[in-house]
Amino acid sequence: GAVVSQHPSRVICKSGTSVKIECRSLDFQATTMFWYRQFPKQSLMLMATSNEGSKATYEQGVEKDKFLINHASLTLSTLTVTSAHPEDSSFYICSARDRATGGPLYNEQFFGPGTRLTVL
Amino acid sequence: SQKIEQNSEALNIQEGKTATLTCNYTNYSPAYLQWYRQDPGRGPVFLLLIRENEKEKRKERLKVTFDTTLKQSLFHITASQPADSATYLCALGYGGGKLIFGQGTELSVKP
Repeated sequence: GAVVSQHPSRVICKSGTSVKIECRSLDFQATTMFWYRQFPKQSLMLMATSNEGSKATYEQGVEKDKFLINHASLTLSTLTVTSAHPEDSSFYICSARDRATGGPLYNEQFFGPGTRLTVL
Repeated sequence: SQKIEQNSEALNIQEGKTATLTCNYTNYSPAYLQWYRQDPGRGPVFLLLIRENEKEKRKERLKVTFDTTLKQSLFHITASQPADSATYLCALGYGGGKLIFGQGTELSVKP
């Protein structure tokens, strides 16, 4: 159980185009999903917290107009990188918390397999 | 300034030995701490969670300790195997599920 999928796993696009990445919880309902970015040999950096039915909360330094997040259902969140540029090339990873497990503080997070974005 | 530091260099050990990874942090007060395993090109996989009021947690060959006074967590893998080779991440946890990750330690277990 507790599987999170991401689609696509890999995407290459031209500079200036927009790319949408989907994150799905396959066998549980996720009230909260998180989006991270990871550059080579670096740690995961939290970009935003996405709550179902409400606006995402972005971390400091993350442009909300560039990284559009939609969490329309309890099993799906999307991240759209608008007008992508080469510096946006990175590994994007989502995670989700199981709504049904325990209290709000101590839930483990289940991570997706990641999406490798390359902007030419 | 706030900082999370894991073993700065890769850790190479012999199969069957115990691997010990460290996670130190400054200017954070996490409610809990988690350890994850990450293989190349993959998302992290949850291993263990330890709360601020717990000293030690075990799961099979894994053990984690958490010292909030020292602001340090130690992660042990006993009877290590080549299949344990991966990058291990510690993450500080806060209310709402927010996680702040360390940079990871690359572990290599040689047969």
